[in-house]
Amino acid sequence: QVQLVESGGGVVQPGGSLTLSCVASGFTFSGYGMHWVRQAPGKGLEWVAFIQYTGVSKYYADSVKGRFTISRDNSKNTLYLQMNSLRAEDTAVFYCAKDSDYGVKVADYWGQGTLVTVSS
Amino acid sequence: EIVMTQSPATLSVSPGERATLSCRASQSVSSNLAWFQQKRGQAPRLLIYGASTRATDIPVRFSGSGSGTEFTLTISSLQSEDFAVYYCQYYNNWPPTWTFGQGTKVEIK
Repeated sequence: QVQLVESGGGVVQPGGSLTLSCVASGFTFSGYGMHWVRQAPGKGLEWVAFIQYTGVSKYYADSVKGRFTISRDNSKNTLYLQMNSLRAEDTAVFYCAKDSDYGVKVADYWGQGTLVTVSS
Repeated sequence: EIVMTQSPATLSVSPGERATLSCRASQSVSSNLAWFQQKRGQAPRLLIYGASTRATDIPVRFSGSGSGTEFTLTISSLQSEDFAVYYCQYYNNWPPTWTFGQGTKVEIK
């Protein structure tokens, strides 16, 4: 069965950096685009970034552009999110999500999330 | 930038009753609309895509309708496990970007 397991969250000071990982299993990781989505405590969902299955094409929300970098290692079935210049408003649970088999850009599987807290 | 607006913010419904949730787009999104269910402490779960197509293993009591700017998610007979927060999502196929509504909480009346 499809599994997505995020890790790397924690407490970081404003201006600091953190790298999140998402290990995938149960499907051919190298064949699917992947997304990061975040959810601030008690708030709604916000799309963060997307990476194409080859790793060549990447897209970002304006709120993180220039600060976050999405990448993947298909040999390790792992998705990454490098986060720099972190701000208090980046505090959130970060989910990785897999493009669906439905032929449209929706996610059919999500990980359980990893919490990032930006605080001094 | 397309903005997705959901209403109501909270819906109080008795088990067995019908629930109707609305989602409005600030401009036409065609049928590029999905619905997700999120229970406390859990990841979102895809219910509907293409405005009206149920995802795999989603019960038939969940149905979606609409196109353009007005969309509806209907839960025909609420079960105890359906009390949760529901999000609509506009998805752009390319570039692949997503915009979520702010959510509707369905609570027990």
